[in-house]
Amino acid sequence: SYVLTQPPSVSVAPGQTARITCGGNNIGSKSVHWYQQKPGQAPVLVIYYDSDRPSGIPERFSGSNSGNTATLTISRVEAGDEADYYCQVWDSTSDHVVFGGGTKLTVL
Amino acid sequence: EVQVVESGGGLEQPGGSLRLSCAASGFTFSSYAMIWVRQAPGKGLEWVSAISGSGGSTYYADSVKGRFTISRDNSKNTLYLQMNSLRAEDTAVYYCAKGAGDDMSAYFHHWGQGTLVTVSS
Repeated sequence: SYVLTQPPSVSVAPGQTARITCGGNNIGSKSVHWYQQKPGQAPVLVIYYDSDRPSGIPERFSGSNSGNTATLTISRVEAGDEADYYCQVWDSTSDHVVFGGGTKLTVL
Repeated sequence: EVQVVESGGGLEQPGGSLRLSCAASGFTFSSYAMIWVRQAPGKGLEWVSAISGSGGSTYYADSVKGRFTISRDNSKNTLYLQMNSLRAEDTAVYYCAKGAGDDMSAYFHHWGQGTLVTVSS
């Protein structure tokens, strides 16, 4: 089955840029969606279809997808961005929704 | 306002059964795919099952196939997850989420707050 690989953790100082990767075989051919989850809360969509941003999500959040890696980029990181982030795709070969293992973003 | 609200979680013994419900409002329920996602304590998100808007297509994670059944009643705007032969590893918060359309490659924009299922003797 299709596997999405994320780094377990990313740390960044306030004001800097965080990049969270999501690796998968030819992931560039799939649509990637990103979710933010804070402790005790339900996931929140932050990026859809690789790089689109839902209303209410700051412009600091952006996404890209090419080759074997999709990337969520958070510019000018704030303390409130500290959360777990998950990438997600639909694998049409297995007819499965697939989530990455998640990345814990720590703001130093 | 779009809302999805899960219910039906609780404590169940190994081998037992539970039925989760997800009540939807604020949108034309039958036009959207729905999914169940679970999160074990301290772990990441795990997709469980998905269903098309009409209910005619269903999909399952390998870990639950043959034990869980997803269904929907579009007349009642409600999604269900029948969970049989429960195991300790099914212990998790179960979320339902609404798709952006009836296309499984679409994103899931609206999530409930989850219902806790605990499987233990």
